[in-house]
Amino acid sequence: NAGVTQTPKFQVLKTGQSMTLQCAQDMNHNSMYWYRQDPGMGLRLIYYSASEGTTDKGEVPNGYNVSRLNKREFSLRLESAAPSQTSVYFCASSIDRGNTEAFFGQGTRLTVV
Amino acid sequence: GEDVEQSLFLSVREGDSSVINCTYTDSSSTYLYWYKQEPGAGLQLLTYIFSNMDMKQDQRLTVLLNKKDKHLSLRIADTQTGDSAIYFCAESPLTGGGNKLTFGTGTQLKVEL
Repeated sequence: NAGVTQTPKFQVLKTGQSMTLQCAQDMNHNSMYWYRQDPGMGLRLIYYSASEGTTDKGEVPNGYNVSRLNKREFSLRLESAAPSQTSVYFCASSIDRGNTEAFFGQGTRLTVV
Repeated sequence: GEDVEQSLFLSVREGDSSVINCTYTDSSSTYLYWYKQEPGAGLQLLTYIFSNMDMKQDQRLTVLLNKKDKHLSLRIADTQTGDSAIYFCAESPLTGGGNKLTFGTGTQLKVEL
């Protein structure tokens, strides 16, 4: 059982380049999330999807777009990368709202130069 | 908006107890969580407490909740070197779609021999 799988694990982009971070879960979870982790700031929610076909903005959505392709997959796109988007990105999933454990992927370390 | 705060560092000796503290501002929080992040890995749920509880014990872990002061703590008994990690406090609200966790900044626990 793989859980939450993120690709790639590491990426270096030049300012202005675009890329898509991929996330897939095999636990039949309804909800999926994208967070970014920056030193001294904890994890901040970028976007989330409560169910297939729906997406909503989190705390820091600017500069990102998401796509809930199907129940398993939730991708995060940077259309024009900026140095401020250098961060570690985590995808997570949970069965539903309320007391549901969120399962996290291993993270993608992105550097924008 | 919601705010969750933690001290950034804690250093303890192996065998001692560790106490990691957290304060939060959202009075509608229903669940409060402790997550552990080991180096280079994603977050893993350690334990959680429902807001109508004062205490929860799970083997070496004890969670205390003071709802009046909006203060949450995690006590790790007989701390081991394998407990060295970053510990995140998180809360989720009563309403809202999905499991919209708000994380604290994380406390880096260092266990010394």
